[in-house]
Amino acid sequence: GAGVSQTPSNKVTEKGKYVELRCDPISGHTALYWYRQSLGQGPEFLIYFQGTGAADDSGLPNDRFFAVRPEGSVSTLKIQRTERGDSAVYLCASSSLGGSDGYTFGSGTRLTVV
Amino acid sequence: DQQVKQNSPSLSVQEGRISILNCDYTNSMFDYFLWYKKYPAEGPTFLISISSIKDKNEDGRFTVFLNKSAKHLSLHIVPSQPGDSAVYFCAARASGTSYGKLTFGQGTILTVHP
Repeated sequence: GAGVSQTPSNKVTEKGKYVELRCDPISGHTALYWYRQSLGQGPEFLIYFQGTGAADDSGLPNDRFFAVRPEGSVSTLKIQRTERGDSAVYLCASSSLGGSDGYTFGSGTRLTVV
Repeated sequence: DQQVKQNSPSLSVQEGRISILNCDYTNSMFDYFLWYKKYPAEGPTFLISISSIKDKNEDGRFTVFLNKSAKHLSLHIVPSQPGDSAVYFCAARASGTSYGKLTFGQGTILTVHP
């Protein structure tokens, strides 16, 4: 597609439930990134994929968070046993191999845990 | 520990005048810096970047200045236009860490009045 697509755009879930957030990167982009943005803050790094493998997952806050990219294209961020503190906008971005000046971000998924 | 700080939450400027957005950092390992612009309900969009081997980079109306000794960078927009009204984030990447990991500031809301 022309840009990075994230679905759903909004997700409301109950505390304790499991959620999946999807990211479709720009076609041909080998690198994919997940960030989380809380209200009034800048984006916070979660995980970075190069191809199918997680090159850096140091930003995942705990073992309730997991992300996959099985075919090197679409990625899914999975959150188990959601907590109210997980409420945020989850941003996905992609870039080409060796792409330097910034990523292309999607519009994000706004997750609200009630 | 906020390694990238944007101490001005907001800035208001008249159309045609200069906008100066500031950013300070504490991590001396940061060697690449970027500025992003974000409109409501959209993902951040890359604006301009600068490597630590330079002290200035210019692209049209946007110029980024880097003062390594002060650990300070700034974004100048000249002349400012109402369409520049958005949230501006500075971001940094550290040498020796994964290519994909950026550390963002909290953002500055720029309002350009006609």
